[in-house]
Amino acid sequence: ELKVEQNPLFLSMQEGKNYTIYCNYSTTSDRLYWYRQDPGKSLESLFVLLSNGAVKQEGRLMASLDTKARLSTLHITAAVHDLSATYFCAVDMNRDDKIIFGKGTRLHILP
Amino acid sequence: EPEVTQTPSHQVTQMGQEVILRCVPISNHLYFYWYRQILGQKVEFLVSFYNNEISEKSEIFDDQFSVERPDGSNFTLKIRSTKLEDSAMYFCASSLTGGTGYTFGSGTRLTVV
Repeated sequence: ELKVEQNPLFLSMQEGKNYTIYCNYSTTSDRLYWYRQDPGKSLESLFVLLSNGAVKQEGRLMASLDTKARLSTLHITAAVHDLSATYFCAVDMNRDDKIIFGKGTRLHILP
Repeated sequence: EPEVTQTPSHQVTQMGQEVILRCVPISNHLYFYWYRQILGQKVEFLVSFYNNEISEKSEIFDDQFSVERPDGSNFTLKIRSTKLEDSAMYFCASSLTGGTGYTFGSGTRLTVV
């Protein structure tokens, strides 16, 4: 059964700092998704990574995928308070049936 | 931008009552899903639906749950006899083809009292 692990689960950091969230998964997959969730809200799609070596950037966030290591990273550059949220990675196992989510990383950025 | 619409946004129901959660997926999407998120916890897969039938379901999706696409636009999740532990946020999602990206609705917060 596919397992998806994120770390850290909680992260408190100061504005202006850089940090990386890691997402490991247990079985072969070449499709990985990052979502953002604000408290009480829905899941906002951030990145869709569809192949080994894929790198995507949007503003201060950059995501990458290494399918051989079964690892994706979400890098935050010069964090700002507005990025405070919970970030989920999710892995697509069978392409059609479902995606499996990690537990999420709750990111709190201190002004 | 097209979106997945869910109603109601919040439903309170008594234990043992039936509830129906409604979703309108993006019109040209072919795959439909329900997920749930107990407060503060991870997002859990419930069921996927394609070509008018369930393609996969999780252990959570027992006989108390059912899904339907009654009219070609709505996609519903029915819980026959709600339990306290069914209290959660329920998200509907759809995708054009599997693996090309999933769009989630805004969710229905179900509170069972």
